[in-house]
Amino acid sequence: SQKIEQNSEALNIQEGKTATLTCNYTNYSPAYLQWYRQDPGRGPVFLLLIRENEKEKRKERLKVTFDTTLKQSLFHITASQPADSATYLCALVKRAAGNKLTFGGGTRVLVKP
Amino acid sequence: EAGVAQSPRYKIIEKRQSVAFWCNPISGHATLYWYQQILGQGPKLLIQFQNNGVVDDSQLPKDRFSAERLKGVDSTLKIQPAKLEDSAVYLCASSSNRGQVNEQFFGPGTRLTVL
Repeated sequence: SQKIEQNSEALNIQEGKTATLTCNYTNYSPAYLQWYRQDPGRGPVFLLLIRENEKEKRKERLKVTFDTTLKQSLFHITASQPADSATYLCALVKRAAGNKLTFGGGTRVLVKP
Repeated sequence: EAGVAQSPRYKIIEKRQSVAFWCNPISGHATLYWYQQILGQGPKLLIQFQNNGVVDDSQLPKDRFSAERLKGVDSTLKIQPAKLEDSAVYLCASSSNRGQVNEQFFGPGTRLTVL
C-alpha cells in the first residue's frame, strides 16, 4: 500500500540551529512534492514545491531536497526562530493526478529561544 | 486578495444529526477541494471540484457525505447523519488553473465535534 511518513515525534530545537524534517514515501511515484506549514487553528500554508527532476530548492531560510532513489524529501529550516514553531506537512502529487495532494501526517517543530 | 472563507468556524452536534459547512474560494479559482483533518493527522482529500464538476470524490463516504458547487463558485459540504468518527476539522482549499502545478490556498477550517 502507498504510504507517506513523517516523524510523528515533535522536533525540539534551539533558536539559531538548523531543523531538518524528513518525508519518506513507499509505493509511490510522485511527479512533485510540496511542503506546507500549519499553525494551530489554521489551514495549511504553501511553502515550497520541488519536482521529481529537481534535487534541491531554496526559499530564504528554507531548503528542500528530493531523492527519488531513496524515496525521501528533506526539509531544512536554517537559523531557526521561535516564529518557525509550527507543524510542517509534506504532500505528494502523482503523475496524471491533476492537482490532487496526498499529505503526510506532519511533524511539529518547536523552536526554543 | 481575500483568502478562502469558511463558516461556521466551530460546530457541535449530536450523533445522527445533520450538519453543513460553507466555503467561498478565492475569486477566480476554478478548483475547489474539501479535506478532512483528524487530530494529529494530515488533511485527507474528500472531494475535488473543477468549476462545478466533480473531478475526484473517491474518498468521500457517499452514504453520509455530500457536496455541491452549483454555480462554480462557493460550495457546501453536508454530513447526514453524523457519526462520532466524523469529529475533525473540515478544510476547504482552492487553486487556480494557471500553469501545470498550482499551490493550494486553504481556509481556516470548520472544527466539528460529534457527541
